Amino acid sequence: LAKTTQPISMDSYEGQEVNITCSHNNIATNDYITWYQQFPSQGPRFIIQGYKTKVTNEVASLFIPADRKSSTLSLPRVSLSDTAVYYCLVGDKAKAAGNKLTFGGGTRVLVKP
Amino acid sequence: ETGVTQTPRHLVMGMTNKKSLKCEQHLGHNAMYWYKQSAKKPLELMFVYSLEERVENNSVPSRFSPECPNSSHLFLHLHTLQPEDSALYLCASSPGGGRLRETQYFGPGTRLLVL
Repeated sequence: LAKTTQPISMDSYEGQEVNITCSHNNIATNDYITWYQQFPSQGPRFIIQGYKTKVTNEVASLFIPADRKSSTLSLPRVSLSDTAVYYCLVGDKAKAAGNKLTFGGGTRVLVKP
Repeated sequence: ETGVTQTPRHLVMGMTNKKSLKCEQHLGHNAMYWYKQSAKKPLELMFVYSLEERVENNSVPSRFSPECPNSSHLFLHLHTLQPEDSALYLCASSPGGGRLRETQYFGPGTRLLVL
């Protein structure tokens, strides 16, 4: 797993767009970038995944610059139910990560009314 | 409901006890994972089982012992745990060979408290 750095927390209001940037300077050629969402007392849930450029699905968009050293998860028009912790995961083969198999700290997003 | 179930959902045990956590996936996936999530710490991958390989995080102490009898069932055997092992233990599965690029489907977790 490539080491990732995300902001610890972000506040937003209903209806706004939330952008969370994840830094992964030592991303490897075969690594993919995956974002997960986690609510309290639940397991993480897949949101979106990408390798390069832009990916969009019904929930979010993922922007990845050409150097792939960072990525930005964009949540359009958030609602109160989007309050959660968002994790950026960068990797390919688990074995290649050795004993540094962590997701990263995640970003706690609080959506206010 | 993600198709991954974990039992028990809550567990309290003493440091001398032996217990096991169980995970079952109903998705036909080939890989299964154990994660540990402690308060205010990153989600830590403990073990991966797949058709291709078994991966262990070298920092996981030997008092945690995984078992994967088939691709649908995964166990985590616990013995002589320490209070710092109290955490949420999450199981996940993915369709392929256990690569981290695969979408993982997580269970609800087992909340473990070691006294």
